[in-house]
Amino acid sequence: QTVVTQEPSFSVSPGGTVTLTCGLSSGSVSTNYYPSWYQQTPGQAPRTLIYSTNTRSSGVPDRFSGSILGNKAALTITGAQADDESDYYCVLYMGSGIRVFGGGTKLTVL
Amino acid sequence: EVQLLESGGGLVQPGGSLRLSCAASGFTFATYAMSWVRQAPGKGLEWVSVIGGSGRSTFYADSVKGRFTISRDNSKNTLYLQMNSLRAEDTAVYYCANSPNYAMDVWGQGTTVTVSS
Repeated sequence: QTVVTQEPSFSVSPGGTVTLTCGLSSGSVSTNYYPSWYQQTPGQAPRTLIYSTNTRSSGVPDRFSGSILGNKAALTITGAQADDESDYYCVLYMGSGIRVFGGGTKLTVL
Repeated sequence: EVQLLESGGGLVQPGGSLRLSCAASGFTFATYAMSWVRQAPGKGLEWVSVIGGSGRSTFYADSVKGRFTISRDNSKNTLYLQMNSLRAEDTAVYYCANSPNYAMDVWGQGTTVTVSS
């Protein structure tokens, strides 16, 4: 069974840039997996950031961008702010209607 | 404004059943696929199921296949999740979301399901 992998944790300085990745335990992520990204703070519902690799959801600032880097999907946050401190999840479309979440990355801004 | 409001959560015994509902407003419900996603206490998000706009196509995570049934009533702008043979590991907050582009877009606030004796 293929697992979607994310860094468990990451830290970034305020104003800095960070890139979170989303990979596969076996194989490479491409645009055919329609990677999407979500932000969640404790006790809140998730918020959609990016879909179809690099399309920002409505209202998402352009500090958030998505891409394919090497064999992984990537979420880059530029000019990190204190309220970017959240959990970030990716989802890959595995075909046959199936979506799979990664385990999430806890981002600390300090 | 797009809004999704889940209801129907609660405490149920192992082996029991529960039906969740998700009332949608602010968009043309019948033209969107809809998903259920859950989050166990202290854990990450888990995709559960998706249904196409017409209701004809449905897909499930292996963890719920054969026990959960997703459905929709487009005349009532409502999504459902019928959960049978519930287990302790089904304890979670359940979110509905509209699902264009193989992703989730707008999310509800969630409803809590607790499976315990």
